[in-house]
Amino acid sequence: AQSVAQPEDQVNVAEGNPLTVKCTYSVSGNPYLFWYVQYPNRGLQFLLKYITGDNLVKGSYGFEAEFNKSQTSFHLKKPSALVSDSALYFCAVRDSRSARQLTFGSGTQLTVLP
Amino acid sequence: GAGVSQSPSNKVTEKGKDVELRCDPISGHTALYWYRQSLGQGLEFLIYFQGNSAPDKSGLPSDRFSAERTGGSVSTLTIQRTQQEDSAVYLCASSRALVGDEQYFGPGTRLTVT
Repeated sequence: AQSVAQPEDQVNVAEGNPLTVKCTYSVSGNPYLFWYVQYPNRGLQFLLKYITGDNLVKGSYGFEAEFNKSQTSFHLKKPSALVSDSALYFCAVRDSRSARQLTFGSGTQLTVLP
Repeated sequence: GAGVSQSPSNKVTEKGKDVELRCDPISGHTALYWYRQSLGQGLEFLIYFQGNSAPDKSGLPSDRFSAERTGGSVSTLTIQRTQQEDSAVYLCASSRALVGDEQYFGPGTRLTVT
């Protein structure tokens, strides 16, 4: 079985400050981890992924995420938040041993305050 | 290039009617997925197609739901005898068949059952 937890429904941060959106996962095998962003009335847009290799993954729009195997975490980060980063963020996981579909977290609403 | 397209963007139907939702994946993507996004329930997997293999239907919530994929491209999700609890945004995604490939999502179809 595979599962994802996003412990924060809402994250508020001031523009220019660093942001972190938390994600933890559970899989039987090796994890394939993904972050997606959803703007209002839009589909999900792919931000970045971890498959193997370097634990720090860089993605679109200046976002990055760090894979931590011992803590089973894959937190999304950005050094300096923009108001335009305000959106709904989803973490997703797929177990390398099992089905191809993604299991998504419940989502975290990020609000960047001007 | 063209992304995943879905139609209609919005559908309002009366309880008990059948509906068909269409997905046109990215050209060359052999994998196609349907998910459902409901308020308060996040994203849930419905069905997965890969090439000519039998689809993974493990996420379909009832036998009122079915899907097909013709010619390895366009897919149709059919909901028979719609119920109010079917109201949600139905998202389609596609990907290449390579291990760890990210999924690209369409804009979704918002289904409202009155």
